[in-house]
This record gives sequence, C-alpha cells and structure tokens, in this order.
Amino acid sequence: NAGVTQTPKFQVLKTGQSMTLQCAQDMNHEYMSWYRQDPGMGLRLIHYSVGAGITDQGEVPNGYNVSRSTTEDFPLRLLSAAPSQTSVYFCASSDSYRFPPDTQYFGPGTRLTVL
Amino acid sequence: AQSVTQLDSQVPVFEEAPVELRCNYSSSVSVYLFWYVQYPNQGLQLLLKYLSGSTLVKGINGFEAEFNKSQTSFHLRKPSVHISDTAEYFCAVSVDGSSNYKLTFGKGTLLTVNP
Repeated sequence: NAGVTQTPKFQVLKTGQSMTLQCAQDMNHEYMSWYRQDPGMGLRLIHYSVGAGITDQGEVPNGYNVSRSTTEDFPLRLLSAAPSQTSVYFCASSDSYRFPPDTQYFGPGTRLTVL
Repeated sequence: AQSVTQLDSQVPVFEEAPVELRCNYSSSVSVYLFWYVQYPNQGLQLLLKYLSGSTLVKGINGFEAEFNKSQTSFHLRKPSVHISDTAEYFCAVSVDGSSNYKLTFGKGTLLTVNP
C-alpha cells in the first residue's frame, strides 16, 4: 500500500496562474479531504468528499475547486492563484465518514508558493 | 460550532523530562478527540484518539491523554521524552450529531526536546 500520495511536492506559481494538486489513495477509502497549513493557524479544511461524485465545502473553500470522479482520486484546483494561497497543502483520507470518526491518513504534502 | 485551543504554541524540554501538551475544546454536545503528530517535513499521523469508554487513552510512542469532560480538556502527556519526539503536535475535535465527521484542528504545539 502506498497510502495517500500527493504530487507535486513543491510548486511555484505566478499570480493568476492555475494548477491542479493531485491526491490519490489506494485504501478504498470513502472520505477524502484537503487541508491547508499555515504558520500559527493549524490545519484548515478546504473541501471534502464522502464518496465518488459527492463533494462539499470546508472552512476555507474560496479560490479552490474539487471533483471526485473515482474513489481513488481527489484533485484540488486553484483557478487563479493568489499570494494568499501560498501554503502547504495536505490531502487526507479515512475509511468512513460516519460516526464514530475513523483515523485520517495524511499525504506528505505539497508546498506551494505563489509569487 | 466546535473549537480547539492549544494553550502553548511552543514547549521546550530536556531529554528524559516529562511533558504535558495542553488542549481545551468547546462544544455543547458529545465530542471525539484526537492528537496528531507532524515530524519535520512530513504529513500528520495519528497518536491517539478518544471515542468513548475509558477516559485515559494510550497511544503510540509512549504518549497518553486524558479526557476530562468537566474541564473540557484532552491533555497529552509523556513521562520521559526523547530527542526523536521533537515535532509539532495537533489536537483535533469532531462533534457528534453532524451529518458526517469533520475535524477541527488546533493551531499546534511545537515540542522541542533538547539534549
């Protein structure tokens, strides 16, 4: 099992550019999510999905789009990058989205810089 | 809405000393509580979780935490730390009764273990 994989590991963008951060898991997990981590802010939920074709917004969704066409993949799209989106992005997955909560497994992260 | 407060942003200790990382939460309903650890340049991994039952929860690497409902706390402890415990530690909460579970993270506590 590779677990949760993310690509790329590092990315530098110019303001206004678009890009997609890739996330894949090979554990057949229902629940997948994207977080951003900023110094002193902890992790904040951007978007999440409870299964293929079902997504919803988290705490900080503006400027990001997601889709989930398969159980395995959950890409995060930046439509028009802004310096405020400079952050470390983590994808996570868990077996179930139902209570009681299951352990979330995190990918290694993507460090994004927007100039 | 649920929230998590980690009372210390940084905790420096000497090797083999005991440590306590403090976490308080706010919620008017039943909660599920987690501690995650992030080693340098890595993703997060689960240390331990409280779902129900015994209020003293044991996790990996010799860590334990105690759920105290009256004080709305979930402090993390280790009787003797090692250099390798240097990492950032995140407390997280999920509230029962939601349509699905979403984790709210604290801002993190950086534990630095000095020789």
